Amino acid sequence: EADIYQTPRYLVIGTGKKITLECSQTMGHDKMYWYQQDPGMELHLIHYSYGVNSTEKGDLSSESTVSRIRTEHFPLTLESARPSHTSQYLCASSEWGQEVYTFGSGTRLTVV
Amino acid sequence: AQSVTQPDIHITVSEGASLELRCNYSYGATPYLFWYVQSPGQGLQLLLKYFSGDTLVQGIKGFEAEFKRSQSSFNLRKPSVHWSDAAEYFCAVGYSGGGADGLTFGKGTHLIIQP
Repeated sequence: EADIYQTPRYLVIGTGKKITLECSQTMGHDKMYWYQQDPGMELHLIHYSYGVNSTEKGDLSSESTVSRIRTEHFPLTLESARPSHTSQYLCASSEWGQEVYTFGSGTRLTVV
Repeated sequence: AQSVTQPDIHITVSEGASLELRCNYSYGATPYLFWYVQSPGQGLQLLLKYFSGDTLVQGIKGFEAEFKRSQSSFNLRKPSVHWSDAAEYFCAVGYSGGGADGLTFGKGTHLIIQP
């Protein structure tokens, strides 16, 4: 039973479109994360949040933005999608003081 | 900066044979260490973790891992693999200071099970 949900699972869109990838968790976790994963590659942290109204950029530079208005919700937005944004995006959460992450099933984004 | 090395990109094992996946880390402080498994098109599932204490940790699905500080290693083992173990396996290291700046992952090892 998934406690962290990502929608959509798959998305194919045209260049220049604005998109929002949704991530919600029902565990009340303070910390949330977005990772980008190219096929056959490791995960790279692109955004994280300590809690409501907290957002930070991760190790990998990304043109995406995030917001954290509610504890359970951590959406990722691309204002103008490009083919270079084609990737899988994984959302995760954890409790403060714990480093055990729960991952969502991911959104596989293709920009054509 | 912390880093994780998984030297084997692909490993092929016969069903019923034993398995060992290697992981080496570089980290200045006491690490938190993890193994995750990812099936195709899915997110990551935690197999096991090491925070402190007994250096041999047991996980789900019959997996275990041993933390060896002197070798900076955290290798994953299973005595007898099943076809359902075919997946991508990721080793990860975290910051024991409790910060929120995320886990660092290795590049993964793709496990293939031969009948």
